[in-house]
Amino acid sequence: GAVVSQHPSRVICKSGTSVKIECRSLDFQATTMFWYRQFPKQSLMLMATSNEGSKATYEQGVEKDKFLINHASLTLSTLTVTSAHPEDSSFYICSETRGAIGYTFGSGTRLTVV
Amino acid sequence: AQSVAQPEDQVNVAEGNPLTVKCTYSVSGNPYLFWYVQYPNRGLQFLLKYITGDNLVKGSYGFEAEFNKSQTSFHLKKPSALVSDSALYFCAVRDNTGFQKLVFGTGTRLLVSP
Repeated sequence: GAVVSQHPSRVICKSGTSVKIECRSLDFQATTMFWYRQFPKQSLMLMATSNEGSKATYEQGVEKDKFLINHASLTLSTLTVTSAHPEDSSFYICSETRGAIGYTFGSGTRLTVV
Repeated sequence: AQSVAQPEDQVNVAEGNPLTVKCTYSVSGNPYLFWYVQYPNRGLQFLLKYITGDNLVKGSYGFEAEFNKSQTSFHLKKPSALVSDSALYFCAVRDNTGFQKLVFGTGTRLLVSP
């Protein structure tokens, strides 16, 4: 079946540093990738939508300069959390869409900022 | 705007008993509905979807869901629950505009007791 590879699965970083999360589509050329954030015991909130070769579209309230999204190829989208702070600690999940076929999710990245 | 409601934060059921996890939706246009399951610190696993056709949709791991247009509901069901079904369940509807993102409910935690 469809596979989206997300790395790293867990990362601990110091406050003020940057962290990059990668999502690779292994068997599909993903024009569009969604990035979600999930707080403990809460639902998934869409942060932004990345499109290959163009600027990402951010949801209201999401700081685009803090959460840098790059979708340089049809198989790779990255989310970089810049100047991370403890409040950025969360679970981040990517998802690709295949139109009416459905959506495939990465396995998620647990970010802890200390 | 599209939205999904999962009225129950938690559902408790004994192993072997039938289970139901409720979901209602609001969407412009035709509803594309999904159910996903999430285990701790993991991404989302697809269970089933409704695009068109039969109102009773059968999915993975013995789960099924009934689409009811008049009640705008898409409840998840399983005839006989297993302890291993204990997890977090999300209902989602596709936004039929723009990038066709998924809009998630708040999630329902299913706890199956031995």
